[in-house]
Amino acid sequence: QITLKESGPTLVKPTQTLTLTCTFSGFSLGTRGVGVGWIRQPPGKALEWLALIYWDDDKRYSPSLKSRLTIIKDTSKNQVVLRMTNLDPVDTATFYCAHLNILTTGHFFDFWGQGMLVTVSS
Amino acid sequence: QIVMTQSPSASASLGASVKLTCSLSGGYTSNAIAWHQQLPEKGPRFLMKVNSDGSHTKGDGIPDRFSGSSSGAERYLTISSLHSEDEADYYCQTWDTGIHWVFGGGTKLTVL
Repeated sequence: QITLKESGPTLVKPTQTLTLTCTFSGFSLGTRGVGVGWIRQPPGKALEWLALIYWDDDKRYSPSLKSRLTIIKDTSKNQVVLRMTNLDPVDTATFYCAHLNILTTGHFFDFWGQGMLVTVSS
Repeated sequence: QIVMTQSPSASASLGASVKLTCSLSGGYTSNAIAWHQQLPEKGPRFLMKVNSDGSHTKGDGIPDRFSGSSSGAERYLTISSLHSEDEADYYCQTWDTGIHWVFGGGTKLTVL
């Protein structure tokens, strides 16, 4: 059974850096074809993809946010970390991590975490 | 630049059927998509992948009431025998090598 769970601060001040951790079980990020991505959702708005890391450490970033994002994995700990710099109140959102396997369901997120709300405010 | 267009809202009666639409723009009209369901105050749940030929692959435990289809640049999600618990936001999502992952604006489904 695949599960993912996001953790990190729920309140961040403007200009600070946000670090979120996705801890997962039921799969290994060392397995060929597997990836873990981050997606955010501002209150009342649609989903927006941010970043993804593949089993082979290949990384992809949203072009509009690339300069502010870093994604890394720790395969031994079953964790993926997302860092977002220079936070602004417009970055207030629920952040989700999600699994994909390009060998089974293709480049589509087939398991999601429960999400966590991060508020950016002074 | 791809745009995935969804109607902001839809409604149908308990026990009826509803067909939600996701329209692909530009040169991405042959892309496969995924449908995700987001219940109120919950994280998204993968429903299915829908290919351009209308074939679809559902996620674990998704009821037979949910099905997918395609026509040209349109991808559809049909929910039959609507239950009250189907009231949710529904998002389509696609992927391509250049654009990476893109979501539609979502459709809020109300079950009357």
